[in-house]
Formats: sequence, structure tokens, C-alpha cells
Amino acid sequence: KQEVTQIPAALSVPEGENLVLNCSFTDSAIYNLQWFRQDPGKGLTSLLLIQSSQREQTSGRLNASLDKSSGRSTLYIAASQPGDSATYLCAVNAGKSTFGDGTTLTVKP
Amino acid sequence: GAGVSQSPSNKVTEKGKDVELRCDPISGHTALYWYRQSLGQGLEFLIYFQGNSAPDKSGLPSDRFSAERTGGSVSTLTIQRTQQEDSAVYLCASSPGQGSGYEQYFGPGTRLTVT
Repeated sequence: KQEVTQIPAALSVPEGENLVLNCSFTDSAIYNLQWFRQDPGKGLTSLLLIQSSQREQTSGRLNASLDKSSGRSTLYIAASQPGDSATYLCAVNAGKSTFGDGTTLTVKP
Repeated sequence: GAGVSQSPSNKVTEKGKDVELRCDPISGHTALYWYRQSLGQGLEFLIYFQGNSAPDKSGLPSDRFSAERTGGSVSTLTIQRTQQEDSAVYLCASSPGQGSGYEQYFGPGTRLTVT
């Protein structure tokens, strides 16, 4: 059974800092890994998709990496802004998706 | 273009009643997923449909839960004899297909409250 763990559970940083969110998973037989953002009371917004054959993906200030053999992914956020405050979820997809519990990020002005 | 839509956005029902939740996927998407997110808990897979294949129902928590997908498009999740522990946000997602290059697109969810 796939298990996904996200560390840390919560993170508070001052505006402008670079930060890394971590996601680990137990079964490397995956199609892809997807990072999402969820604002309070809202649905999920897709940030980045990394296919199983890829090592990283970039979108603007976001960079996600994938090391399938070790079961790890990181989401790097550069020059954080207060608008980045949200819960970040990683999902490992092997047909059905298994989600981590998320990292709640607060960026203080 | 239009994203995934779900209705109703909010549903309050009495314990023991049946409810139906609807999901309209993105047009042309062959894969459709249902998840639920309970207060203080993570996202839990319920069921997914891929094309004409038999659905993967492995996440349904009990036989009170069922889902169907008519004509390969709209899906309905039905919960019979609702219980208070069924209170959650039910999220639907669709994808153009299954495989490494396909990402899931989520709807806004239906918030179900069982009183």
C-alpha cells in the first residue's frame, strides 16, 4: 500500500525567503507525482506535474524534483511572497492517487 | 475552457437520508476520480473510472457508497443512509487519460454536512 509523507507539517517564513517542502513515498511504481496548492475552503490547484521518467519541472518561482528510486520529491519555492501562503499537497499517481497530509505554509510580510 | 464542475456546492442532510453528488468532468477526459477530504484528515481516494474499463472501487469506505458514470461523462456519487462520519468535502477530478503525462484537474468540491 502506497504511503505518502510530507515534512514539515507546517512552516512559517518571512517574505523573500527561499524554502523547500518535502514529500516521500514508499512505492516507486508510479506514473507521476503532482504538486497542488489548496487555499482554505477551496479546491486543489495543480502546480507542477513530474512524470516518472523526469527529474524535475519548473514553473516560475517553483521547482519540483523527483527521485523515484529513493521515493522522494521536493518543491522549491524561491523568493516567497505572502500570496504563497496555502497548504501544499503532493500526490503520487499510480492509477489512483495517494496524497500526503500537506504542508501548511505561512509567509509573513 | 470550462473546468471540472460539481454540484451542489454545499449539501446539508439529515442522518439516514440518501444524497447524490454530481461531477461534470472536462469534456473529452476519459478518467474521472472521486476523493473525500474530512476535517483534519488528508485526501482519501474513493473510486476512479477510466474509459470503458470496470471502475476501481477499492477506496469506497462501505457499501453505502456507490458511483456511476453515464456515457463516459457525468458521474454521480451516491451515499445511502448517511451517517455523521460521512460529513466531508467530496472532490472530483478528471484527466485526459491514465499514464505518466496526464495530470488531474480538480473541481471545487461539494461540502456535505450530515446532521
